[in-house]
Amino acid sequence: DSGVTQTPKHLITATGQRVTLRCSPRSGDLSVYWYQQSLDQGLQFLIQYYNGEERAKGNILERFSAQQFPDLHSELNLSSLELGDSALYFCASSSRGSYGYTFGSGTRLTVV
Amino acid sequence: KNQVEQSPQSLIILEGKNCTLQCNYTVSPFSNLRWYKQDTGRGPVSLTIMTFSENTKSNGRYTATLDADTKQSSLHITASQLSDSASYICVVSDLGDYKLSFGAGTTVTVRA
Repeated sequence: DSGVTQTPKHLITATGQRVTLRCSPRSGDLSVYWYQQSLDQGLQFLIQYYNGEERAKGNILERFSAQQFPDLHSELNLSSLELGDSALYFCASSSRGSYGYTFGSGTRLTVV
Repeated sequence: KNQVEQSPQSLIILEGKNCTLQCNYTVSPFSNLRWYKQDTGRGPVSLTIMTFSENTKSNGRYTATLDADTKQSSLHITASQLSDSASYICVVSDLGDYKLSFGAGTTVTVRA
């Protein structure tokens, strides 16, 4: 157990729908990062939050949004889902930069 | 162009044999370089982390080397086991330690 908890583990939904993925960082970690990994592709950085504020943005679509709450958990919202959004979505957390950078086990999203 | 290039894209080795994976990067200056192991459908797990002043770091049968002058790193797997079958990802952190650049990974398949 890495200490980073992601729920749900699996999600199947239809095109056009909206889903919310949740991430609880390791205790004490202030930063949360979201990544997308499509089939046989590398990890693509989506967005980073630090102590509730957006810190960095990667290749995140406008249909996607995220936030980090006062208790430091984070949610990634995906809307108007398309078949191409099917992927593994990983959350990672860290306490100081990339040291202690730890990934969760991911949420597998399938859009049908 | 990706700032972190890995080679080969994939390789197959027999159980008990050794192999070496390569990582070339252009991130400069950088804070640290990490190697991750990612089992299929699971989150990446850190194997080694090296700062620019370190040349080598070992973790069991995994040994990473770093040449900051040529901006090259390698991951050597000794006496491979079936459980080594996974994707190995090279990740470089910029000097501010805020942005991580991911390689596309090398998929290693160990056969009995």
